[in-house]
Amino acid sequence: DAKTTQPTSMDCAEGRAANLPCNHSTISGNEYVYWYRQIHSQGPQYIIHGLKNNETNEMASLIITEDRKSSTLILPHATLRDTAVYYCIVEETSGSRLTFGEGTQLTVNP
Amino acid sequence: AAGVIQSPRHLIKEKRETATLKCYPIPRHDTVYWYQQGPGQDPQFLISFYEKMQSDKGSIPDRFSAQQFSDYHSELNMSSLELGDSALYFCASSLVRGKEFFGPGTRLTVL
Repeated sequence: DAKTTQPTSMDCAEGRAANLPCNHSTISGNEYVYWYRQIHSQGPQYIIHGLKNNETNEMASLIITEDRKSSTLILPHATLRDTAVYYCIVEETSGSRLTFGEGTQLTVNP
Repeated sequence: AAGVIQSPRHLIKEKRETATLKCYPIPRHDTVYWYQQGPGQDPQFLISFYEKMQSDKGSIPDRFSAQQFSDYHSELNMSSLELGDSALYFCASSLVRGKEFFGPGTRLTVL
């Protein structure tokens, strides 16, 4: 069974915030939430990760609900170059792999 | 900043031939991962190495093998190639678990 559920696709206007949701209702206490993205046929790119606190870096913000059953990745000012498939991944840090689900195709429109 | 290097970038082989893909991780990264991404599919984990020892194994066919060398570069060897092996093969490296840096990939086409 998939650990995460994401919408198949989303659209966003250039310059606006893109909010990508992810459900991970079966997450366990020692599992982190990771976000990666893949621009067409390029290698996946790490964006951000968190355990229970909200996180922010130069690329995005990650908001994790208090019960940790869902999270939202926020791209504050989306650009055309942010068009990509975004993957929400739940894994233990002791793990040795990333398990990619189906992801969300984000299309940023001019 | 140095990134993960993969070679070759493109490779065309015939069925039943062999192929070797190479990966040079980011300096000082201690873990290397291999992923396969078929057409229209999501990346699938194949195998990983930590400090030159196999650390995890995913859905890697028995026809494939991999190793990590003393200089930390890794090679994925693929034998008896099948049409279904046509895919993008990504190598990634990491120093922090979960935070993986991916290379540009090798596009393998089997004819």
